[in-house]
Amino acid sequence: AQSVAQPEDQVNVAEGNPLTVKCTYSVSGNPYLFWYVQYPNRGLQFLLKYITGDNLVKGSYGFEAEFNKSQTSFHLKKPSALVSDSALYFCAVRDLYMNTGFQKLVFGTGTRLLVSP
Amino acid sequence: GAGVSQSPSNKVTEKGKDVELRCDPISGHTALYWYRQSLGQGLEFLIYFQGNSAPDKSGLPSDRFSAERTGGSVSTLTIQRTQQEDSAVYLCASSRTGRAAATGELFFGEGSRLTVL
Repeated sequence: AQSVAQPEDQVNVAEGNPLTVKCTYSVSGNPYLFWYVQYPNRGLQFLLKYITGDNLVKGSYGFEAEFNKSQTSFHLKKPSALVSDSALYFCAVRDLYMNTGFQKLVFGTGTRLLVSP
Repeated sequence: GAGVSQSPSNKVTEKGKDVELRCDPISGHTALYWYRQSLGQGLEFLIYFQGNSAPDKSGLPSDRFSAERTGGSVSTLTIQRTQQEDSAVYLCASSRTGRAAATGELFFGEGSRLTVL
């Protein structure tokens, strides 16, 4: 089965500093990888995805993610953190139902990002 | 509306009571997903609908949980004889198609927070 792991429950960073939120994946076949963000009392919002092509994927709010096949990682990054980036971040991988061709997303446990002023 | 709508946003119930949670997906989205978000547990997949049928019910935690979708649109998640461990945020998501050819992006509602006393 497809899975992702987020090894850090929480990441703390000062405003203006670069941030990295880690994600590693375990898949059979080519991975479709996603990052979602959840602000307090809100649903999940799509940030970015990797399907194929360039290993560096750019998404919403200045975030980007680097796909690394040899390390089976898909870390989320931002060059300069904002206090407003403080939220819960989820990594996800697409899981296919091989018999039907339908799909679902399998999520990691989430990483809380706290950006201090 | 433009987004995925869930109701109620907040539900407090007594142990043993039945609850119904409703999801109204984005118009025209054929795939609908229910996830459960518990503290420290990430997002747990519950069930997936393609149209009115549910190809995958494997995530439902017990036979107290059931879901249906009518008219290819609104879905209801029912929990019978609620237990305290059912307390969580129940998230609904939809996508234009559940087919593998799609890019996999899901659109989430803001969730229904269930508290079982």
